[in-house]
Amino acid sequence: GENVEQHPSTLSVQEGDSAVIKCTYSDSASNYFPWYKQELGKRPQLIIDIRSNVGEKKDQRIAVTLNKTAKHFSLHITETQPEDSAVYFCAASNLGSARQLTFGSGTQLTVLP
Amino acid sequence: ETGVTQSPTHLIKTRGQQVTLRCSSQSGHNTVSWYQQALGQGPQFIFQYYREEENGRGNFPPRFSGLQFPNYSSELNVNALELDDSALYLCASSLEGTGANVLTFGAGSRLTVL
Repeated sequence: GENVEQHPSTLSVQEGDSAVIKCTYSDSASNYFPWYKQELGKRPQLIIDIRSNVGEKKDQRIAVTLNKTAKHFSLHITETQPEDSAVYFCAASNLGSARQLTFGSGTQLTVLP
Repeated sequence: ETGVTQSPTHLIKTRGQQVTLRCSSQSGHNTVSWYQQALGQGPQFIFQYYREEENGRGNFPPRFSGLQFPNYSSELNVNALELDDSALYLCASSLEGTGANVLTFGAGSRLTVL
């Protein structure tokens, strides 16, 4: 089955700096890669996703890049703000299968004011 | 439009007992997935229900079972509870046929097994 590894497990940045979180996956059949943000005690919320037919996607301060050959994808947050502090999870799945997402172990991002 | 709602929000059980968790899917969604999130870990897929049938299952034993009702709501049942079942149980709904695994999560049910 699919295995997703996520690094780093914790990340602290100064407000205004950029943050990068990286994930690798094992199953070459995976073709959908979402990122979820989970604030303490709250539900995971989708912040951006990418399919394997594109290499990059942006949404304001957030971007995701995908390297299918190397089987890794990354989340980039620019101009970080204190409200970006949360746990971020990457995930992977095969669009042709059931809605089964395999998640990474999460990255605790802390944005220092 | 209503979101995904789960009940109860918190509960405490003892080892060997049984528990039922409930989930109402987001309006317009027809598929429900259940995930287990242990403390400090990412969610792990338990199973998914579509058209009232199990449609995919993760690496969980048979004592984890579920139901989906005609209104697309769902239940997760866990029998013979073990200490390691202590976790946040997340329900997520989606719309089959959209071609994307866009899941909308509920806030979860926090289960503690003593």
